[in-house]
Amino acid sequence: QSALTQPASVSGSPGQSITISCTGSNSDVGGHEFVSWYRQHPNKAPQLMIFEVTRRPSGISNRFSGSKSGNTASLTISGLQAEDEADYYCCSFASGGSSLYVFGTGTKVTVL
Amino acid sequence: EVQLVESGGGLIHPGGSLRLSCAASGFSFQNYDMHWVRQRPGEGLEWVSGIGVGGRTYYPASVKGRFTISRENARDSLALQMNNLGGGDTAIYYCARGPPFALDQWGQGRLVTVSS
Repeated sequence: QSALTQPASVSGSPGQSITISCTGSNSDVGGHEFVSWYRQHPNKAPQLMIFEVTRRPSGISNRFSGSKSGNTASLTISGLQAEDEADYYCCSFASGGSSLYVFGTGTKVTVL
Repeated sequence: EVQLVESGGGLIHPGGSLRLSCAASGFSFQNYDMHWVRQRPGEGLEWVSGIGVGGRTYYPASVKGRFTISRENARDSLALQMNNLGGGDTAIYYCARGPPFALDQWGQGRLVTVSS
């Protein structure tokens, strides 16, 4: 199972919106409604930001939203803030291969 | 408060074995799937094992046959036995709670270094 494809980096100014894409296949992103997104600050554990494509865990700001079209999922961060600067990973449940879950390659978000 | 605290890890020679543990608290451990995820230095996240509430286990091809995940519900404890370790296994290993199809709570991670 290959890693899902994300852009290496995305940047934006405070207050702007950015979108991170996550492209997979029919066996993962396109085949299930089980895409999740994680934020990881340097030297910290990942934090769940979005699950089941669009749902936010309790306590996560509504500035974070998720969507999916075909084999590509997206995470949008609106009203960009300094604290949003981090690495972001998508993850999908996978079927047909040996892995239960497959992560994305990761995207470094920089707040200018 | 949900807490996952990993222990074990450290430096191990190539071909050696190591056991990681994860102590869970603040939730009903027996009712959740649990997973291990690793992150090689400077790289992304990689799922390396999972165990369901009924004890069924799952592994990717990269570790199948070398890693064994287990749980002891009476002790709210998760473990990962890693055998025949190689340089590619050098990573921070995270214990994570998995309500179906997402990982909603993570431990702080434990570094495993495979080197001669």
